[in-house]
Amino acid sequence: GAGVSQSPSNKVTEKGKDVELRCDPISGHTALYWYRQSLGQGLEFLIYFQGNSAPDKSGLPSDRFSAERTGGSVSTLTIQRTQQEDSAVYLCASSSGWGRGTQYFGPGTRLLVL
Amino acid sequence: AQTVTQSQPEMSVQEAETVTLSCTYDTSESDYYLFWYKQPPSRQMILVIRQEAYKQQNATENRFSVNFQKAAKSFSLKISDSQLGDAAMYFCACHTGANSKLTFGKGITLSVRP
Repeated sequence: GAGVSQSPSNKVTEKGKDVELRCDPISGHTALYWYRQSLGQGLEFLIYFQGNSAPDKSGLPSDRFSAERTGGSVSTLTIQRTQQEDSAVYLCASSSGWGRGTQYFGPGTRLLVL
Repeated sequence: AQTVTQSQPEMSVQEAETVTLSCTYDTSESDYYLFWYKQPPSRQMILVIRQEAYKQQNATENRFSVNFQKAAKSFSLKISDSQLGDAAMYFCACHTGANSKLTFGKGITLSVRP
């Protein structure tokens, strides 16, 4: 079956602009995660959605970052007023099993803020 | 909170030989899960192997096996009969049942010599 998909694959933006990154999880997976991978910080957790529960936003680095998940499926990560330090690869993963399932990752979106 | 440590930044192996990648972790939880993910230059994070902490038997997937030493909090990955396609970055990761966000090590770059 289809895996996790993310769009766009690459995004170049100017400092101060807003960007939206999209994630389509594996069909039927109740959990969805966003991570950020950067040279200086490695892989960091950002946010976690599980079914209809309130999301775990504990990893979001600032209030410029937000995410939503519509209809328990597609998720959008929004970064407002982008800064150069936001440049990174943003990875999305999904899993079944209410948190105990294996997380399967998408190909990521590489964001470059000029 | 859990921590994952990969102390070797790089390793090299001859094609067809065996290599072991090291990982240590720390968590106060009794219910946790350990993973090795492979990330080739395409940046797609691919699951290699998964180990549940409550299982005493070491997980095996074809040429990949783990040495899970629970008391020592060690979780190493052994790759047998190394192939050129095994060249990638490998990440060790952990999550607990109560908090399913993954915590990653810094990763190790594995090169395979023909």
